[in-house]
Amino acid sequence: AQRVTQPEKLLSVFKGAPVELKCNYSYSGSPELFWYVQYSRQRLQLLLRHISRESIKGFTADLNKGETSFHLKKPFAQEEDSAMYYCALKSSNTGKLIFGQGTTLQVKP
Amino acid sequence: EAGVTQFPSHSVIEKGQTVTLRCDPISGHDNLYWYRRVMGKEIKFLLHFVKESKQDESGMPNNRFLAERTGGTYSTLKVQPAELEDSGVYFCASSQVRAGANVLTFGAGSRLTVL
Repeated sequence: AQRVTQPEKLLSVFKGAPVELKCNYSYSGSPELFWYVQYSRQRLQLLLRHISRESIKGFTADLNKGETSFHLKKPFAQEEDSAMYYCALKSSNTGKLIFGQGTTLQVKP
Repeated sequence: EAGVTQFPSHSVIEKGQTVTLRCDPISGHDNLYWYRRVMGKEIKFLLHFVKESKQDESGMPNNRFLAERTGGTYSTLKVQPAELEDSGVYFCASSQVRAGANVLTFGAGSRLTVL
């Protein structure tokens, strides 16, 4: 079965602290993984995807096929990073996204 | 370029009534998806159009939900009759049909409250 799991509903850190939002997936085949973010009063938007191997707003995510994980990391959190983060897996058959439950990141001053 | 537009932004109706949500995708995007986030739960896939054809409607919860995309442009999602458990945020997303470029752009969502 195709599934995405984000074990933490809420992650609260202080400004300047490192952040890691966990994401594990279940998928038979080569997965394509994404992180989407929804800031307060804004629409859901793409943050990054694993095939691009890019860093956006200081965030990176590495696909670990052995551990079936795609954790999102940032070395120094900023207050403006506070948002809801969703990990998503794209089905190669249909192109639809399968989302995790989402993690609220709260960065305190 | 205009983004994905959804209307209404918020709808409050009573159980048993009908509501129609509309989505205008980005011009030229043949893929159109509907998703739903029920309070406290994950965003779940409802269905996928390619132009006017339903490619995958495996996520539609029951026959009270009807989605259309006549002409392959905007899409509507009708809930009739609405039940309490239909409350949530309904997202629409669109993308181009292009290999390696199927990145979804989401609308702001339509919040549905059924009383």
